Amino acid sequence: GENVEQHPSTLSVQEGDSAVIKCTYSDSASNYFPWYKQELGKRPQLIIDIRSNVGEKKDQRIAVTLNKTAKHFSLHITETQPEDSAVYFCAAAVSGYSTLTFGKGTMLLVSP
Amino acid sequence: NAGVMQNPRHLVRRRGQEARLRCSPMKGHSHVYWYRQLPEEGLKFMVYLQKENIIDESGMPKERFSAEFPKEGPSILRIQQVVRGDSAAYFCASSPPAAPNEQFFGPGTRLTVL
Repeated sequence: GENVEQHPSTLSVQEGDSAVIKCTYSDSASNYFPWYKQELGKRPQLIIDIRSNVGEKKDQRIAVTLNKTAKHFSLHITETQPEDSAVYFCAAAVSGYSTLTFGKGTMLLVSP
Repeated sequence: NAGVMQNPRHLVRRRGQEARLRCSPMKGHSHVYWYRQLPEEGLKFMVYLQKENIIDESGMPKERFSAEFPKEGPSILRIQQVVRGDSAAYFCASSPPAAPNEQFFGPGTRLTVL
């Protein structure tokens, strides 16, 4: 089955810096890659996703890149703000087949 | 459009009791998924259901755990004879028929087994 590895497990940055979180996956059939943000005690919220027919997708300060050959994808957050502090999870799935396999999460701390 | 609803939000059970967790999907969503999250861990898939059908239960422990999504009413995750190791946050997610991968999560039920 699919295995998703996520790094780093914790990431501390200063406000205004950029943050990058990286994930690798094992199943070459996977072609849907969402990212979720989970604040303490709250539900995971979908913040951005990418499908394998594109290499990059942006939404304001957030971007995701995908390298299908190397089987890795990354989340980039620019101009970080304290409210970006949360745990971020990557996931992978085969489009049309519903099961999401999640990474173990990255705790991002943005210091003012 | 209300989001995914789960109840109860917190549930305390003693060892050996039964736990029933409920999930109402978003309006128009016909796919329901259950995930378990242990402290400091990611989300582990348990089961995927559509109305009156279990589609994939590969992540569900073989004993004590069961799930259903009846024609009417919420989806239920049932844990019989709970043990301390069952203490976790249980999240339900739902997705629309046209985009089964795009899953929206409920607020979770935090189960504590004493």
